[in-house]
Amino acid sequence: SQTIHQWPATLVQPVGSPLSLECTVEGTSNPNLYWYRQAAGRGLQLLFYSVGIGQISSEVPQNLSASRPQDRQFILSSKKLLLSDSGFYLCAWSGTAGSRAFFGQGTRLTVV
Amino acid sequence: SQQGEEDPQALSIQEGENATMNCSYKTSINNLQWYRQNSGRGLVHLILIRSNEREKHSGRLRVTLDTSKKSSSLLITASRAADTASYFCAPGGGGGGNKLTFGTGTQLKVEL
Repeated sequence: SQTIHQWPATLVQPVGSPLSLECTVEGTSNPNLYWYRQAAGRGLQLLFYSVGIGQISSEVPQNLSASRPQDRQFILSSKKLLLSDSGFYLCAWSGTAGSRAFFGQGTRLTVV
Repeated sequence: SQQGEEDPQALSIQEGENATMNCSYKTSINNLQWYRQNSGRGLVHLILIRSNEREKHSGRLRVTLDTSKKSSSLLITASRAADTASYFCAPGGGGGGNKLTFGTGTQLKVEL
């Protein structure tokens, strides 16, 4: 069966520090991968979308970047965190575009 | 891509009552999905309705789709306290593209 792993669950980082959040998928190949951010009490903002290795679509200009070094690995990064980067980050995958998506448990990032 | 807009933003009902939430979108779709999010957790897929379907059931859930009005509704019958969560719709495919995007959701609170 397919599973998605996202870590860490919580993270407190100082302003200006780097960030690396990792998401891996098991049990499927060539998934569509997504990174979302959710501010407290708000909806999900799509940050990055990937249909294959090295293919990253950035949805909003920001202080973050994403990479897909392997088929089932999706990494969210920042060189220098801002206070405004705080939020709840969710990784997800779907088998085909527009089909059902499966979400990780999320990472609560607090930038202090 | 396009995102759905859920309405109402918040809904408070008593246990045993029915809860109805609505979703509107702007361009043609291939399908529309509904997801649920418990506080601080990832989203969980509830149901997918295709553009050629008008109604779909899953347990206590009933989803309708009116492509002429570009709208969908999610009905939860005989609600329980455990149904307390945020609910999101995601229009998929068609003129909006295949990226999965979400609105701000409907926050449902079911009180005992």
